[in-house]
Amino acid sequence: QVQLQESGPGLVKPSETLSLTCTVSGGPVSSTSSYWSWIRQPPGKGLEWISYIYYNSRTGYNPSLKSRVATSVDTSKNQFSLKLTSVTAADTAVYYCARYYCTGGSCAFDYWGQGTLVTVSS
Amino acid sequence: DIQMTQSPSSLSASVGDKVTITCQASQDTSNYLNWYQQKPGKAPKLLIYDASNLQTGVPSRFSGSGSGTDFTFSISSLQPEDFATYYCQQFANLPYTFGQGTKLEIK
Repeated sequence: QVQLQESGPGLVKPSETLSLTCTVSGGPVSSTSSYWSWIRQPPGKGLEWISYIYYNSRTGYNPSLKSRVATSVDTSKNQFSLKLTSVTAADTAVYYCARYYCTGGSCAFDYWGQGTLVTVSS
Repeated sequence: DIQMTQSPSSLSASVGDKVTITCQASQDTSNYLNWYQQKPGKAPKLLIYDASNLQTGVPSRFSGSGSGTDFTFSISSLQPEDFATYYCQQFANLPYTFGQGTKLEIK
């Protein structure tokens, strides 16, 4: 059973950088079928995919955030991370890490972390 | 970006009812469409993948159909634990996008 756990500050000041880490257990981030993703959800709103990273550091980003987002993976720690720069109040959201699992042309977010609320405020 | 439009945005129903939610894509997504359930304060849970395949462990009262731009999600006989918000999600093209959600409430 794969488990994911987000960690990082719950409060970030405007214009600063939001940094989160997702620790994966129950399976390796080096899995060739897994793309490790970040998804966010502003309070009371819907889901927005942010990015994915593959074990070899190949990445995919939402164009709406691409200029401010960076992701990395650490296979030795079985973790992957998100950095979002120049944050504003609009970046206040619950941030989820999730496994995007692909097999035989079929892909889905099948395991999710519990989510962590990040508030942007001075 | 492919826009996903769900209908209705909210729905009131009773235990035992059959409910149907639709999801329309702004362009052809073949069958690259998943459905998730989200309860308050919890992460989404995958229910249906590839438009019509039931994820392991998900009760058979949940079902999905469709291809191209029009998709349907149904619950055949509502149970108390089914009251939640449901999202469709396409993976035909980047960026992966979700519908705005359908909140299913108890009548």
